[in-house]
Order: sequence, then C-alpha cells, then structure tokens
Amino acid sequence: EIVMTQSPAILSVSPGERATFSCRASQSVTNTLAWFQQKPGQAPRLLIYGASIRATGIPARFSGSGSGTEFTLTISSLQSEDFAVYYCQQYNNRPPLTFGGGTKVEIK
Amino acid sequence: EVQLVESGGTLVMPGGSLRLSCAASGLTFSNAWMSWVRQAPGKGLEWIGRIKSNGDGGTIDYAAPVAGRFTISRDDSEKTLYLQMNSLKTEDTAVYFCTTVQHWGQGTLVTVSP
Repeated sequence: EIVMTQSPAILSVSPGERATFSCRASQSVTNTLAWFQQKPGQAPRLLIYGASIRATGIPARFSGSGSGTEFTLTISSLQSEDFAVYYCQQYNNRPPLTFGGGTKVEIK
Repeated sequence: EVQLVESGGTLVMPGGSLRLSCAASGLTFSNAWMSWVRQAPGKGLEWIGRIKSNGDGGTIDYAAPVAGRFTISRDDSEKTLYLQMNSLKTEDTAVYFCTTVQHWGQGTLVTVSP
C-alpha cells in the first residue's frame, strides 16, 4: 500500500497570503495525484488531478506541482472561502487509492 | 448537471448488514468508474473500494479493512451503485460518499452501535 503523508497538519495563513503545502508518497505514483478541498459538512471537491491540471471551474489561484513522490499545492492569494481542509490522493493503477491525512488551512 | 445521491445509511448493530445505494444522473453512468469513500466522525477521508465500468472489465478493488465484508456492485440500467456491508463493526461508523472523483454525492451516515 502506498502511504501518503501531508504536511503541515495545520497551516495558519492570513487572507491574501500565499499558502503552500505538501504531499509525499511512500513510492512513486508518477503524476497520478489529485487534490481535494473539503469544508465542514460538505463533500470533498476536486481541485487538481494529474498533479497539476485544474479541474473544471477551479480558480487559477490554485496550482499543483510535482511528480514521483513529492507534490505541492499552492494557493497564490488566500480568499475567505479557501479556509478548509485539503487532501491529496494517489490514484496509481494499483489499489488501494490512498488519501493523505489532510492539511487544515485556518485563519491566522 | 451531474448528481450522485446516496441513501440507505442508518443505525445498525455490530455484526449487522446494510446496503447503501448511490443514484446517478447527468452522466453516462455505464462508462464511469465509481468509488466509495468514507469519513469517520472528525477524521480524514478513507477510500474503501472502486468498480470499473463493464467496458473496462468491471474490476472491483477493495481496501484491506473492508475486503471480505463489503461488496460493491452496479446496475447500469438503473444508473445505481451499491455497497453491501456485512459483519459491520463500530469502526465502520462514518459518512459514506460515492464518487467518480470529479463528482461526489452528499454522503449518507452509517452508525454502527450496540
């Protein structure tokens, strides 16, 4: 099983600032990596797939990068609606398709 | 507009069984690879299984904690995904989501408790 490790667990950021957080895979997943945003009481929302491709309707302030075992999600200028929990998930062809533990972005 | 609507969640005793359904609309369901993901109260997301489209072989894969107890199936004529859960444990308590990855249902709560 591929283990996904996200850091930090909590990120305190002021509105308008840049937020960057990481996701590490225990073995290479090439670029089969997705990022999701989840707000309290809501279903997750797909932000990024293929490590760097924004999903339909996702603002340009969200960007993903990386390949292999190291991945990054960047929010260029945090808006109030971006305070949420962010999860990475690898969808390499070999299940299980594991999620990271999440990074909570909170208001500083 | 794509909609996924889960149903069937309820309170069940340990050792009991339950079947969840996920009704899909607005997409070509027969072509979709469908997954179930769960989230225990206050915890992160946990992938529990996936079924490929029949055109892609219909392969079904499960996460280790549910393999042998849970069964995923699909009815393409009804555009519905199912999750049959047997031998339920208290640690199966969670909100269960069906998802195509891009689209997610709102989830259905399963509580396993004496």
